[in-house]
Amino acid sequence: GAGVSQSPRYKVAKRGQDVALRCDPISGHVSLFWYQQALGQGPEFLTYFQNEAQLDKSGLPSDRFFAERPEGSVSTLKIQRTQQEDSAVYLCASSLQLPGLAGYETQYFGPGTRLLVL
Amino acid sequence: RKEVEQDPGPFNVPEGATVAFNCTYSNSASQSFFWYRQDCRKEPKLLMSVYSSGNEDGRFTAQLNRASQYISLLIRDSKLSDSATYLCVVNMRIQGNQGGKLIFGQGTELSVKP
Repeated sequence: GAGVSQSPRYKVAKRGQDVALRCDPISGHVSLFWYQQALGQGPEFLTYFQNEAQLDKSGLPSDRFFAERPEGSVSTLKIQRTQQEDSAVYLCASSLQLPGLAGYETQYFGPGTRLLVL
Repeated sequence: RKEVEQDPGPFNVPEGATVAFNCTYSNSASQSFFWYRQDCRKEPKLLMSVYSSGNEDGRFTAQLNRASQYISLLIRDSKLSDSATYLCVVNMRIQGNQGGKLIFGQGTELSVKP
């Protein structure tokens, strides 16, 4: 079956430009996560959705970062007025995790969007 | 201090060697523990979960010491195909999701040479 897909795979932006990154989770997956991975580092949590509700955005680095998942499926991460420090790989992950279900369920990662801000 | 700490390596080992990776985590409320593997320019993929009793999957053995907040991964008889970055990961509970969010270490790079 289809896994998590992300687009574009690569994005080059000029400093100050706005960008939008798309994530298509595995069909039926309730939970969706965004992570940012800088070069040579492990991924860092940005935000989490349960269906269309954004329940945790504690990892978003600034108010220039905005994420949405309006219909509880596809999600978009938007970065306004991009800065060079935003250059990273942005990873999306989804899991079946149902509300109220105790315990961890595997998160499946997409291939990521590699963003370079010049 | 990072929540999950690993030696970044790189570890350069010959084929057939045994290699061990160590990791410490700072938050005693961490719920569950994993090793992920990440190939160059690819996404992370779950290698194995880590349990207090220790667990083995073929050539891979993982152990958890909750008292010391320490996690390890042992790879025996290493293969060329084991070359990758190994990420130590803990799972933290977040609001509304019993499953939680993943906190990754920096990753340890392994290079297995012929």
